[in-house]
Amino acid sequence: NAGVTQTPKFRVLKTGQSMTLLCAQDMNHEYMYWYRQDPGMGLRLIHYSVGEGTTAKGEVPDGYNVSRLKKQNFLLGLESAAPSQTSVYFCASSYGTAVKAFFGQGTRLTVV
Amino acid sequence: QQPVQSPQAVILREGEDAVINCSSSKALYSVHWYRQKHGEAPVFLMILLKGGEQKGHDKISASFNEKKQQSSLYLTASQLSYSGTYFCGTDQGGSEKLVFGKGTKLTVNP
Repeated sequence: NAGVTQTPKFRVLKTGQSMTLLCAQDMNHEYMYWYRQDPGMGLRLIHYSVGEGTTAKGEVPDGYNVSRLKKQNFLLGLESAAPSQTSVYFCASSYGTAVKAFFGQGTRLTVV
Repeated sequence: QQPVQSPQAVILREGEDAVINCSSSKALYSVHWYRQKHGEAPVFLMILLKGGEQKGHDKISASFNEKKQQSSLYLTASQLSYSGTYFCGTDQGGSEKLVFGKGTKLTVNP
């Protein structure tokens, strides 16, 4: 029972490079979220999705894009990485907002 | 808009009690509480739904006052294992977004 799996777990990028973070869940959840966590800032919502084919902006969406082509996968893309995007990224999924959310183990991204 | 948590940090000795507060400027339909250990993912503690309920398990409980748009997490007779950062998450105004506060770092010393 895998739950929520994030790929990769660690990555170092050079400024201007692009990359995609993958979040996969095997619980048939409709809702999926991407957060970034920085010291003293808590978990900030980047983008979220309430179903296959739908996405919406969260609190800090600039510089990121997302796609939800399959229900089980939620992709987070960085088009042109900047040092300010150095962070730990967490994906979460749930059946809705009024029920428990399950988190992945996180991706530590460093942009140099 | 992130819910506001207080205090930002608290240090306890084993056996002492603590209260962590979470408030919002918008109406709340549900409040989640999670605990995160250093280097790990947040772990679900409990969820409270609109209706002013109180929940708990073991020595950790929480209340939800929807009129005041706030929730409180109560940790009694703290144990070393309670150390970590506690986050409240809310779906403000019944939105589809689950938004978290900045967290409260709890340290329990022997």
